Amino acid sequence: EIVMTQSPATLSVSPGDRATLSCRAGQSISNSLAWYQQKPGQAPRLLIYGASTRATGIPARFSGSGSGTEFTLTISSLQSEDFAVYYCQQYNNWITFGGGTKVEIK
Amino acid sequence: QVQLVQSGAEVKEPGASVKVSCKASGYAFATYSIHWVRQAPGQRLEWMGWINTGNGNTKYSQKFQGRVTTTRDTSASTAYMELSSLRSEDTAVYYCARDSGTLPIWGQGTLVTVSS
Repeated sequence: EIVMTQSPATLSVSPGDRATLSCRAGQSISNSLAWYQQKPGQAPRLLIYGASTRATGIPARFSGSGSGTEFTLTISSLQSEDFAVYYCQQYNNWITFGGGTKVEIK
Repeated sequence: QVQLVQSGAEVKEPGASVKVSCKASGYAFATYSIHWVRQAPGQRLEWMGWINTGNGNTKYSQKFQGRVTTTRDTSASTAYMELSSLRSEDTAVYYCARDSGTLPIWGQGTLVTVSS
């Protein structure tokens, strides 16, 4: 099983600021990395796949980067609807998820 | 539109089994595999297993091997996940999700509560 580690666990950000979330894979996963957003009581929503490709309908303020073992999700200017928990997921060898980063209002 | 609709919440006693359904609509069911993912309260998402809806092949997480079974009924466009020998730690929301490499389509989730 490929272990996925996210940091930080919680990120306090003011609306309009930039948020940078990190995800590390226990072994190289090439670019087989996805990011999801989850709000309370809802199923996760796919934001990014292939490490850097936005899913359909996802605003341009969300961007992903990285390959191999180190990945980053950047939200360029946080909107009120962006405060949520974000998960990374590898799909290079079946599926594993990171522990999540909660983005909260500062 | 493409959607997955899951069965309703369940309350089970320890040692029992639960079977959750996931009905697909808006696409050719046997074209895309289905994954099952669960989330215990306040915990991370946890992959449980997968079923190829075309040929019925399955793959399970080692953690759940021996306790989980995924099946499908292509005539009903429905996938199923059965978890046996339930314990309190299995209290969680269980999701099905359509496989496209990633998981772009999710069911609404089914809360399973294990309590005596």
